Amino acid sequence: DAGVIQSPRHEVTEMGQEVTLRCKPISGHDYLFWYRQTMMRGLELLIYFNNNVPIDDSGMPEDRFSAKMPNASFSTLKIQPSEPRDSAVYFCASSLGGLLPRYNEQFFGPGTRLTVL
Amino acid sequence: SQQGEEDPQALSIQEGENATMNCSYKTSINNLQWYRQNSGRGLVHLILIRSNEREKHSGRLRVTLDTSKKSSSLLITASRAADTASYFCATGVEGKLVFGKGTKLTVNP
Repeated sequence: DAGVIQSPRHEVTEMGQEVTLRCKPISGHDYLFWYRQTMMRGLELLIYFNNNVPIDDSGMPEDRFSAKMPNASFSTLKIQPSEPRDSAVYFCASSLGGLLPRYNEQFFGPGTRLTVL
Repeated sequence: SQQGEEDPQALSIQEGENATMNCSYKTSINNLQWYRQNSGRGLVHLILIRSNEREKHSGRLRVTLDTSKKSSSLLITASRAADTASYFCATGVEGKLVFGKGTKLTVNP
């Protein structure tokens, strides 16, 4: 398996533009997570899905952020309009759920480094 | 919040020495996990310890968990330059992980 795939790896955009980040989880994983990492705030959970359904979006900073998971193999995180303070590395991760704690291990993608000018 | 807090924030050692990192958390957990992040990369899972376990080993890694003190430690023995990375603890409840801010470990050759 190729692991969690994210695209693009780097994104530079201007304030006010729409940004779409993409993620393909590991096949068979039924949980998908979006995180944001900055020096100031560390790694923050933005939203997570179980079987394509959003379960907890309490970490989404504001209405400019939205996430979708139209099927088990694809998810997007969209920022519209983008602002300089959105500059960060955005990670997608996936995991198996289930009753056994072993399945809480998360597999991370390489991240998308977003710079908003 | 049940966020894990790692200590120290940064640690610099010589190759061959042991490195110990600590993590404290606030609420009851199902499990606690340690992850490593190399510069510019995603996080990689190292080891998971369940709430009913006290100690776990994996290669040069040793993790302990004290639920009465709500703390865990990660020991890396015989460190190598390749161990240079940031190490994060994460507390797991119901499939959701909350990460600490990490310990930045530098192993000098």
